[in-house]
Amino acid sequence: AQSVTQLDSQVPVFEEAPVELRCNYSSSVSVYLFWYVQYPNQGLQLLLKYLSGSTLVKGINGFEAEFNKSQTSFHLRKPSVHISDTAEYFCAVNQAGTALIFGKGTTLSVSS
Amino acid sequence: KAGVTQTPRYLIKTRGQQVTLSCSPISGHRSVSWYQQTPGQGLQFLFEYFSETQRNKGNFPGRFSGRQFSNSRSEMNVSTLELGDSALYLCASRTLPLNEQFFGPGTRLTVL
Repeated sequence: AQSVTQLDSQVPVFEEAPVELRCNYSSSVSVYLFWYVQYPNQGLQLLLKYLSGSTLVKGINGFEAEFNKSQTSFHLRKPSVHISDTAEYFCAVNQAGTALIFGKGTTLSVSS
Repeated sequence: KAGVTQTPRYLIKTRGQQVTLSCSPISGHRSVSWYQQTPGQGLQFLFEYFSETQRNKGNFPGRFSGRQFSNSRSEMNVSTLELGDSALYLCASRTLPLNEQFFGPGTRLTVL
């Protein structure tokens, strides 16, 4: 069975500072990894995905993530955050054609 | 292309009633998945339909059911509503075998 652990439930950060949201997964087989963002009263928007190939994945809005198979991690990073990045972020994992398994989410709060 | 649409966006019901939620996938997507999001349990997979057939099912009681029509639109039904069914219900579509799921804005169900 697969599982996802998001290590921080809340991450407060000042505008223009760098941020890292941590995600670890557990699986006995190869998986695909995703980061989604959810703004208040909205659905989920895909930020980036790792399916295969380069372990450094670039996504929308300046976010990137690095897949580390040995540490079973897929941490999300942004070098300089903006107020508008305030949202909840979800890490998810699945195998081909199966349902997504989500972490509990990390609330990113960006203040000026 | 238009995104995933869900109707209604908000719904208030009382215990014991039943409810039907609707989801229209992105044009050309034949797979529709449903997820329940609550503050306590997070995002949990309900079921997935592909070409009018249920292909995956999560761990929810039989009160939760779904179906898919020939035009790929999907409905989910919850019978005998309980207070704990209050949640945001998200629908996602994809085109198999690709793994990327696109989410709708959700239906916020409140059970009183």
